[in-house]
Amino acid sequence: AQKITQTQPGMFVQEKEAVTLDCTYDTSDQSYGLFWYKQPSSGEMIFLIYQGSYDEQNATEGRYSLNFQKARKSANLVISASQLGDSAMYFCAMREDQFTGANSKLTFGKGITLSVRP
Amino acid sequence: ETGVTQTPRHLVMGMTNKKSLKCEQHLGHNAMYWYKQSAKKPLELMFVYNFKEQTENNSVPSRFSPECPNSSHLFLHLHTLQPEDSALYLCASSQSGTSGGKNIQYFGAGTRLSVL
Repeated sequence: AQKITQTQPGMFVQEKEAVTLDCTYDTSDQSYGLFWYKQPSSGEMIFLIYQGSYDEQNATEGRYSLNFQKARKSANLVISASQLGDSAMYFCAMREDQFTGANSKLTFGKGITLSVRP
Repeated sequence: ETGVTQTPRHLVMGMTNKKSLKCEQHLGHNAMYWYKQSAKKPLELMFVYNFKEQTENNSVPSRFSPECPNSSHLFLHLHTLQPEDSALYLCASSQSGTSGGKNIQYFGAGTRLSVL
């Protein structure tokens, strides 16, 4: 069974600074996909970034990058140049089978609250 | 705006009421999902539909009844709910089953349900 662990308490960061949100996962599969989502207080889950287990490079999307350490089973999200609008809950999620995309089931962590201070 | 629209955004219902949640996706995806998000718990997958066929029912009580008339629309019919069913219900869609595909799920804004 897959499991996602997000144990950080509420995180705080100063505007324009970088912040790292931790995520560790547990799986016996060799092929899997890792996702990060952002959920503002409005409720919508917003997709941020994806990393496949066989991808050779760490994923980047604008100010978001994923620090993927496969041996340690960690997939930490790095947000650079934080903005006030980054204040939200952040969820790490995992899906088995990176390649076919046939298995749709996502397993989510409990989430981390990020607050950006002006 | 992600292309997934949920209505209503807020719903208050009594335990004897019958109501329905609606989800519509404008992304051309072939898979749709219902999730439940309760306070301080991870998102729980409830149902998955691929090409209008239900492929996953995650041991959801029968008081929740999904319906998927086509690949763009998904409903969740509610009847005789309990107060513990109060939660945020999120709908998502994705393009499932394509070789090499990331199968990214895109979510709606959710329906916040309160059962009195």
